[in-house]
Amino acid sequence: GAGVSQTPSNKVTEKGKYVELRCDPISGHTALYWYRQSLGQGPEFLIYFQGTGAADDSGLPNDRFFAVRPEGSVSTLKIQRTERGDSAVYLCASSSTGGKSYEQYFGPGTRLTVT
Amino acid sequence: EDQVTQSPEALRLQEGESSSLNCSYTVSGLRGLFWYRQDPGKGPEFLFTLYSAGEEKEKERLKATLTKKESFLHITAPKPEDSATYLCAVQMTSGNTPLVFGKGTRLSVIA
Repeated sequence: GAGVSQTPSNKVTEKGKYVELRCDPISGHTALYWYRQSLGQGPEFLIYFQGTGAADDSGLPNDRFFAVRPEGSVSTLKIQRTERGDSAVYLCASSSTGGKSYEQYFGPGTRLTVT
Repeated sequence: EDQVTQSPEALRLQEGESSSLNCSYTVSGLRGLFWYRQDPGKGPEFLFTLYSAGEEKEKERLKATLTKKESFLHITAPKPEDSATYLCAVQMTSGNTPLVFGKGTRLSVIA
């Protein structure tokens, strides 16, 4: 079946602009995660959704970052007033609920460059 | 304070030269330890989940093991196509919770 998809694959924007990054999880997966990965680092947690609600947003760095998942499937990560330090690869992952296994499956990521 | 530490940061092997990657963790209430493979420009690809000390899992030339403080990813007779960054992550408590990743080990296998 189809895996996690993310669009766009690359996004270049100017400092101060607003961007939206989209994630389409594996069909039937109720949990959805956003991570951010900088060069040479492992992914760092941003926010986690269980269904439509944000179960944990403790990883969002500041109030310029916001994410939604209105229908419990597709999610959008929104970044206002972008800064050069926001440049990174933004990864989305999804997992199913129930049973012993909670493996998270990742999408290909969106590479964001703020100039 | 790092919760997940991977070593070495980079490893260069000749084709067929077996070795191990280490992942040590300092968390309480470990629910699971995960290994991922990441190729350049791609998202992490799931390899294994380990849940309890003493557990082992294998996939082709890879074998993952877990103790109470660390996990090893053993690579037997590697091939150039095994070259990638290998990421270790831990999940705490129960249910669907975020993963805490190490920085990864960059493996290069030379023919």
